[in-house]
Amino acid sequence: AQKITQTQPGMFVQEKEAVTLDCTYDTSDPSYGLFWYKQPSSGEMIFLIYQGSYDQQNATEGRYSLNFQKARKSANLVISASQLGDSAMYFCAMREDYGGATNKLIFGTGTLLAVQP
Amino acid sequence: DSGVTQTPKHLITATGQRVTLRCSPRSGDLSVYWYQQSLDQGLQFLIQYYNGEERAKGNILERFSAQQFPDLHSELNLSSLELGDSALYFCASSLGTGVRQTQYFGPGTRLLVL
Repeated sequence: AQKITQTQPGMFVQEKEAVTLDCTYDTSDPSYGLFWYKQPSSGEMIFLIYQGSYDQQNATEGRYSLNFQKARKSANLVISASQLGDSAMYFCAMREDYGGATNKLIFGTGTLLAVQP
Repeated sequence: DSGVTQTPKHLITATGQRVTLRCSPRSGDLSVYWYQQSLDQGLQFLIQYYNGEERAKGNILERFSAQQFPDLHSELNLSSLELGDSALYFCASSLGTGVRQTQYFGPGTRLLVL
């Protein structure tokens, strides 16, 4: 069964430092997508970055990059040069390709990141 | 701003009541998803519509129902509410149904059942 695991309930990082948030997944489908979302205290879910299972290169979006290790089934989010505004809950999510039949996202339990000045 | 709108933002009601949550997808998006976020269950997929038709069901209770209208907005109806239905309900939308399609979330409706 498909599953997303985020083993870090909470993390601290100093402002301007880089931080890695861990995500491992389990799926038997060769075609899938991995997503990271940010949820600040205000509650909205903000899309950060996407990685496809067949993508040859690791995804990057500004200060966000995804360390995708397919054989290990891991998709860690790296945030470079942390800012105070990065303090939030971060969710890793996966979508499998059921031949386009459905595209539900399976979410991990999240990691609460606190950026310290 | 994701472009997905949800109303109302907050809803307080009593057990046994019925409420309707409304969602307008991003312009051009045909697919709408509903998710529930609660402390004990985390983020869970409820149901998906694509261009007016139900596409997939997740952990949606029989007391809950949804639909997507011809103008593509969607409504989630929750009836016979229980205390455990208190949660943050998200609507998300995507252009299509491919695995690469990013789902953009609305701000959510926070439901409190007393």
